[in-house]
Amino acid sequence: QKEVEQNSGPLSVPEGAIASLNCTYSDRGSQSFFWYRQYSGKSPELIMSIYSNGDKEDGRFTAQLNKASQYVSLLIRDSQPSDSATYLCAVNPDGTASKLTFGTGTRLQVML
Amino acid sequence: NAGVTQTPKFQVLKTGQSMTLQCAQDMNHNSMYWYRQDPGMGLRLIYYSASEGTTDKGEVPNGYNVSRLNKREFSLRLESAAPSQTSVYFCASSEGQGGLFFGSGTQLSVL
Repeated sequence: QKEVEQNSGPLSVPEGAIASLNCTYSDRGSQSFFWYRQYSGKSPELIMSIYSNGDKEDGRFTAQLNKASQYVSLLIRDSQPSDSATYLCAVNPDGTASKLTFGTGTRLQVML
Repeated sequence: NAGVTQTPKFQVLKTGQSMTLQCAQDMNHNSMYWYRQDPGMGLRLIYYSASEGTTDKGEVPNGYNVSRLNKREFSLRLESAAPSQTSVYFCASSEGQGGLFFGSGTQLSVL
């Protein structure tokens, strides 16, 4: 069983809709959680971090964390074609960045 | 502010050749990392350096060596390249348990 699971997609949403990206993790003691965006042929770019249960909002992005269910999600409101990319979930089990474990990513397609 | 700079961007090697990937960061981060990214496998940690003067193995260290030259620079060396090392390589840096900042990547092909 993979430690960080993501649906590979593609997830297709129309422009202006809410895109919901999901991630589950196996280590119940995990402490910090990150979302990265990776455009095709480019490097991952950190877009959100979340450390405690609940929601964290930053512009059109909202990260949601539920440690009891071992689940973290990323909502993108008013999706734009420029949001089309692969979104990587990363989980840090013990607060040490060297232990960061990445999911394989969900490809998002925002349609005109 | 350049962030994390990697060179080269592309490289083709023959089996058995050696090469060094260079990485430098100007964010004054203590920790630096080398990852490889393969289709369907995600990002996997090769080596990391928690601080200047220290290096440690990650998930997939075999066939690689690293040098933390100073706080800014962290290089990755392939002593005898193998086709299984064909991949995209990313250098990254971080401070604390904060997220990683990645370089632009090196696409390596070993024939």
